[in-house]
Amino acid sequence: DTEVTQTPKHLVMGMTNKKSLKCEQHMGHRAMYWYKQKAKKPPELMFVYSYEKLSINESVPSRFSPECPNSSLLNLHLHALQPEDSALYLCASSQGNSGGARDEQFFGPGTRLTVL
Amino acid sequence: AQKVTQAQTEISVVEKEDVTLDCVYETRDTTYYLFWYKQPPSGELVFLIRRNSFDEQNEISGRYSWNFQKSTSSFNFTITASQVVDSAVYFCALSEPYNQGGKLIFGQGTELSVKP
Repeated sequence: DTEVTQTPKHLVMGMTNKKSLKCEQHMGHRAMYWYKQKAKKPPELMFVYSYEKLSINESVPSRFSPECPNSSLLNLHLHALQPEDSALYLCASSQGNSGGARDEQFFGPGTRLTVL
Repeated sequence: AQKVTQAQTEISVVEKEDVTLDCVYETRDTTYYLFWYKQPPSGELVFLIRRNSFDEQNEISGRYSWNFQKSTSSFNFTITASQVVDSAVYFCALSEPYNQGGKLIFGQGTELSVKP
């Protein structure tokens, strides 16, 4: 299984809602990532988990809260988002055994989020 | 500072034409990794190739080929006999060294449109 799955595919939420994005992989990868991508732009790294511990937080606002319950799952909890947070949210995973720099990342299809 | 430049924002070709996507990078590290990813309209980034800084051999995979030249800090991607299915956004990326957790520095992307 070489797939990274993400749910939901689409999400529309109001600024006062609380929602969660989910990501799952069964490749035995030990590094997992959240990216945010706006239209016509490259993905921007948000968080990296390595061996289930948060290793990188790219100064992301606290209204985004990541969680890694186990080595296969990655969640992104959303609360009090702003309309400018509307974007494609991509999850990725990599082997993570060598510090991550040399590993290709496998991406999921993304969740397209719209904040009203 | 590390940086990736993809000067071509959009390229449009007719099917069966060859096309080259340019990528120029900047880094002070002697050990680094370069990647190409494809993002079709569906949204998922697909890994195409990884090259490490010590391996300057060119690579060919079917209709795809890559030319890595350290002297000019370039890692260009050529599609031979392009097909409509090649239409996508292509990202070149540079990986930070070991202690940075595998953070990818993406170029701005080149949107390739292959017309029948």
